[in-house]
Amino acid sequence: NAGVTQTPKFQVLKTGQSMTLQCAQDMNHEYMSWYRQDPGMGLRLIHYSVGAGITDQGEVPNGYNVSRSTTEDFPLRLLSAAPSQTSVYFCASSYSTPGTVYEQYFGPGTRLTVT
Amino acid sequence: RKEVEQDPGPFNVPEGATVAFNCTYSNSASQSFFWYRQDCRKEPKLLMSVYSSGNEDGRFTAQLNRASQYISLLIRDSKLSDSATYLCVAYAPNGFGSNYQLIWGAGTKLIIKP
Repeated sequence: NAGVTQTPKFQVLKTGQSMTLQCAQDMNHEYMSWYRQDPGMGLRLIHYSVGAGITDQGEVPNGYNVSRSTTEDFPLRLLSAAPSQTSVYFCASSYSTPGTVYEQYFGPGTRLTVT
Repeated sequence: RKEVEQDPGPFNVPEGATVAFNCTYSNSASQSFFWYRQDCRKEPKLLMSVYSSGNEDGRFTAQLNRASQYISLLIRDSKLSDSATYLCVAYAPNGFGSNYQLIWGAGTKLIIKP
């Protein structure tokens, strides 16, 4: 199993550009999520999904969109990049049962710089 | 006040020593707790869950103190390979209805020196 894969690993954008960060998992996990990690701060949840066709906002959703058309894929779209979106982005997946939290499996991360 | 707070360190510890660090959480309704390990420029990986009765996995011991709202991680006989950042995580209400989510601390950096 490849686990959770993310592409690209590094990206530099100019302010105002848009792009999509890709995330895929091959563990048949229902729950998938996107986090950003900034120095001195904990991982912050951007968006999450509990299954194909279902997405919801996390703590810091502004400026980002997601979709979940299949169980395997959960892309994150930056609509109009801003320097404040410079960060490391992690995609994670896990099993899902209401009221229960499971081990989160993370992808290797995407390091994004917005100039 | 941060919902999950950790001493950022770094903790500089000689190889073979015992080191312990705590993590405090602000929401008493938090249900579950975890320690994740993150190596430099890598993704977080689960180290261990933290149970009410405490739990031990080899050289690692995790404890939960609900009265004082903190969890702890103890590492005995530390190895060079233990050098990493340790992230504390609480499964807590997110402030929107009855939804829960994982709340992450910023991490404690541990450096084991030979």
